[in-house]
Amino acid sequence: NAGVTQTPKFQVLKTGQSMTLQCAQDMNHNSMYWYRQDPGMGLRLIYYSASEGTTDKGEVPNGYNVSRLNKREFSLRLESAAPSQTSVYFCASSEWGKAEKLFFGSGTQLSVL
Amino acid sequence: AQSVSQHNHHVILSEAASLELGCNYSYGGTVNLFWYVQYPGQHLQLLLKYFSGDPLVKGIKGFEAEFIKSKFSFNLRKPSVQWSDTAEYFCAVNARNNAGNMLTFGGGTRLMVKP
Repeated sequence: NAGVTQTPKFQVLKTGQSMTLQCAQDMNHNSMYWYRQDPGMGLRLIYYSASEGTTDKGEVPNGYNVSRLNKREFSLRLESAAPSQTSVYFCASSEWGKAEKLFFGSGTQLSVL
Repeated sequence: AQSVSQHNHHVILSEAASLELGCNYSYGGTVNLFWYVQYPGQHLQLLLKYFSGDPLVKGIKGFEAEFIKSKFSFNLRKPSVQWSDTAEYFCAVNARNNAGNMLTFGGGTRLMVKP
């Protein structure tokens, strides 16, 4: 029972490069989220998908795009990475309306040089 | 918009000391409140939550938190910390009428417990 799986765990990019962070959950959850974690700022929501086929902006969406490929998978794309996007990224999932049952992945540490 | 403030960014304690981490939120309506813990190298885990009822909530590992509505606070406490409590702690709030079911997190408090 894997829960929420993120890949890769670590990534180093040069400014201007693109990459996609992958996330998959096996709990049959409707809702999926992408957060970034920065020192002193906690977790901030980048994008979320309330259900398959829908995506919405969170608090800090600029510079990112997302795709809800199917119910299991929710990817985050950086089209042109910037140093300000150096962060730890967490994917999470839950049943809609069940914030108390938010499950997190193990995180992706991204450095943009 | 809702916001969450954690006033202590870093806390250093010796084992057996008592712990209290502050959390204040700004939102005028009804909220759900959470504390998450992130141990080194691990992802966030739910420590405890408050939805309604008794404002003193007990969580795992001897932690508790008290919701004081008049102060918009949800402070985390533990009477006697252990070295294994070294972690980062996040307070979070979810507004009940928020259709997005999104949590707003505080900036986190890094706790270091010296053996």
